[in-house]
This record gives sequence, C-alpha cells and structure tokens, in this order.
Amino acid sequence: DQQVKQNSPSLSVQEGRISILNCDYTNSMFDYFLWYKKYPAEGPTFLISISSIKDKNEDGRFTVFLNKSAKHLSLHIVPSQPGDSAVYFCAASDYSGGGADGLTFGKGTHLIIQP
Amino acid sequence: DVKVTQSSRYLVKRTGEKVFLECVQDMDHENMFWYRQDPGLGLRLIYFSYDVKMKEKGDIPEGYSVSREKKERFSLILESASTNQTSMYLCASSLVGGRKLFFGSGTQLSVL
Repeated sequence: DQQVKQNSPSLSVQEGRISILNCDYTNSMFDYFLWYKKYPAEGPTFLISISSIKDKNEDGRFTVFLNKSAKHLSLHIVPSQPGDSAVYFCAASDYSGGGADGLTFGKGTHLIIQP
Repeated sequence: DVKVTQSSRYLVKRTGEKVFLECVQDMDHENMFWYRQDPGLGLRLIYFSYDVKMKEKGDIPEGYSVSREKKERFSLILESASTNQTSMYLCASSLVGGRKLFFGSGTQLSVL
C-alpha cells in the first residue's frame, strides 16, 4: 500500500523552462514533507521541505506547494538547468513518530533537462 | 559539515555469505536508519534506531538484522545473503525530533 505516490517515473524539460514534479499522499497523519535529489551512485541530498501548516515554501529556484485538501504537493524548479537532471524523491513524515521512525518515500521521478 | 560515512561504495558477495554494512555519523545524531533503493521501488526502510542498543523494524526487515553498540555507528547485517538482496543500501541519520534525514553516499551491493 503506497502512501506516497509519484506517478511520473520520468519527465523531460527544456533548459530554462519550468520543471514541475508532482507527489500525492494518502496518510492523513503526514504533517511534514520533503524533496530529495539523487544523482547516480550517490546518496540523496535534501532539497526543500514544507510543514503542513504552510502551503508554499521557496528557496531560490525551488518552490514547493502543498494542497492539504487534495493531499498533493508539487516541486517547481525555475529556470531548469542541466545540473538539475537527477532523480527527485518526495518524502513524508508522520507526526506520531516525531521523526524517529524515518520518512516514507515515493518511487521517484527522473528529471531530464534537455539543452 | 554534516557527515554520514558508509564503509564501502561497492561490494560483491556470494550467496549464503554473512555481510556487514557499516555506517558512521559524526553529527551526534540520536536517530539512524537503513534504507534500500531499487529501481522503480524508491527508498524502503529496513531498520531504524533511536538510541544506542535500541532497534525497530521498518517496512522490509526480513533477511536483515542491525546493531547499534555506539551512538555514532549503525551496522546492517545480512545473515545469509541472497540474490534478491542485490541493491543500493543507504544509511541516514537525524536529530531527535528532527524530520530531515542526512544520507551517506550508499553501498551498491551485488550478491552473486
């Protein structure tokens, strides 16, 4: 039973354009959401996060939007750059564990930035 | 700077061997985790630990065990390696109450 879903296994975007990566979740106890970026043969690195009390968080070229009623979040990258080509994982944290029980991850979206 | 170190980047083992994957963090974090990553399956939690000598099963603990004798070190043990345990293994840590995980570089394990 997948609690965090990333329905697009891959996404191709032209350099300079906006990349939009989507994520849906089913567990109402999730109250904190994160995006991680992963290059091949490396560990995931934290990108940006959002608490359920907010609907938007921005950090430079990266913005995450949260729609709690739809149980949906999205990551916007503007403008997209070649170095953004990577696998992006959406992750969620359940407030009952206080973080001690880790994150639940989606299957990832492979973003390819075309020159 | 935050650092989670996994002892091996690549490992090749034979079916039936006992395998140890070591992870050390230098951030004085209480929580440590082992995930495996497989293509099309994302990251799945194997085991986690919130304190020395404490361990909890994650979503896919079968075939694995863990050891946490010191705060900074969390070991994953494959008692008898099988080919379906060929995977990328990722160690992570976090502060108590923290939601952000810091990951190591991963160990690509091949079981032949």
